[in-house]
Amino acid sequence: DTEVTQTPKHLVMGMTNKKSLKCEQHMGHRAMYWYKQKAKKPPELMFVYSYEKLSINESVPSRFSPECPNSSLLNLHLHALQPEDSALYLCASSQNEGGQEQETQYFGPGTRLLVL
Amino acid sequence: LAKTTQPISMDSYEGQEVNITCSHNNIATNDYITWYQQFPSQGPRFIIQGYKTKVTNEVASLFIPADRKSSTLSLPRVSLSDTAVYYCLVGDINNDMRFGAGTRLTVKP
Repeated sequence: DTEVTQTPKHLVMGMTNKKSLKCEQHMGHRAMYWYKQKAKKPPELMFVYSYEKLSINESVPSRFSPECPNSSLLNLHLHALQPEDSALYLCASSQNEGGQEQETQYFGPGTRLLVL
Repeated sequence: LAKTTQPISMDSYEGQEVNITCSHNNIATNDYITWYQQFPSQGPRFIIQGYKTKVTNEVASLFIPADRKSSTLSLPRVSLSDTAVYYCLVGDINNDMRFGAGTRLTVKP
């Protein structure tokens, strides 16, 4: 199983709502990632979790709150978002074996978020 | 992290070989070169990775000259389904992967 799943596929929320994006993988990977991708732009790294601990936070606003409850799950909690936060949110995972090469990341299909 | 530069777009025709070059002048000794493919509304997908010389898999080849300041992704005999954005990334073992602007490849019949 080389699949990363994300739910929901689509999400529409108001600026006062609280919602969560979910990501799951069963490949035994110990690194998980959140990326944000605007239309016709490359993915931008937001957060990296390594062995369930937050290792990289790319100065993301606090209205985005990541959580890694266990090695298979990654959540992104959303609160008081702005319309400019509308984007495709991608989750990815990698083995995190500490080898020499840059690890292959496996991406989910993304959640398309629209903030009204 | 090494910055990468790729052509913004390329056009090709079915059955042709496509070569996409990426410049990474400040690549570090420990850095690897990785290419990803992304279709609309999907997550990126790993294509190939290399450190030096040439790497080939069932999908593509990656050519890296001795100075490693550039690399070329070669897609043999492209089809319409190869229309996608191709990203070149340079980095090491740290899980800090930054995507460049990417190359939008359009394959025409």
